[in-house]
Amino acid sequence: NFMLTQPHSVSESPGKTVTISCTGSGGSIASNYVHWYQRRPGSAPTTVIYQDNQRPSGVPDRFSGSIDRSSNSASLTISGLKTEDGADYYCQSFDSNNRHMMFGGGTRLTVL
Amino acid sequence: EVYLVESGGGLVQPGGSLRLSCLASGFTFSTYWMTWVRQAPGKGLEWVANIKEDGSEKYYVDSVRGRFTISRDNARNSLYLQMNSLRAEDTAVYYCARLSDYDYGLEDWGQGTTVTVSS
Repeated sequence: NFMLTQPHSVSESPGKTVTISCTGSGGSIASNYVHWYQRRPGSAPTTVIYQDNQRPSGVPDRFSGSIDRSSNSASLTISGLKTEDGADYYCQSFDSNNRHMMFGGGTRLTVL
Repeated sequence: EVYLVESGGGLVQPGGSLRLSCLASGFTFSTYWMTWVRQAPGKGLEWVANIKEDGSEKYYVDSVRGRFTISRDNARNSLYLQMNSLRAEDTAVYYCARLSDYDYGLEDWGQGTTVTVSS
């Protein structure tokens, strides 16, 4: 079965750039789109990147997404970090073989 | 604007049952796949189940297959999750979400309803 693995946590200073990885196993990361969600405590998740690298309206262009077939991974990059970017971030994709969805384990971003 | 409002959560004993509901508005409910996602305390998001627009296809994570049943009533714009044989590990906030059948992304989420399985 296809699985997604994320680092448990990352930390960076305001104004800097951080990249969160999402590594696929049991299949190709490029077989289906990868989406990224931000979840703040007490709130429902919201989409920050969809279809690998698309930004929903209202999401600042400091957020970007990419796919690297050579490492079978997706990445979420946040530049010009702000303290309000601190949250949990989840990647999500789909396994065409069994039509199941899956999330990465989530990465807690701390901006300080 | 899309609204998804979950209800039906609560405290239930191990082995018990609970039925969650999700009332949708702001979009044509009958034309969308729908999903249940949960988050256990201190854990990450976990996909639970999907259901096709007309209810003809349903998919479940292995840990709930045979115990949970996803269903929908398009006339009532409602999504359901019948949960039987509940276990302590089913304790979580349960979210309903609207699923894109093009890119399999979750376009909108409800605020969640809390299920606690404990004696």
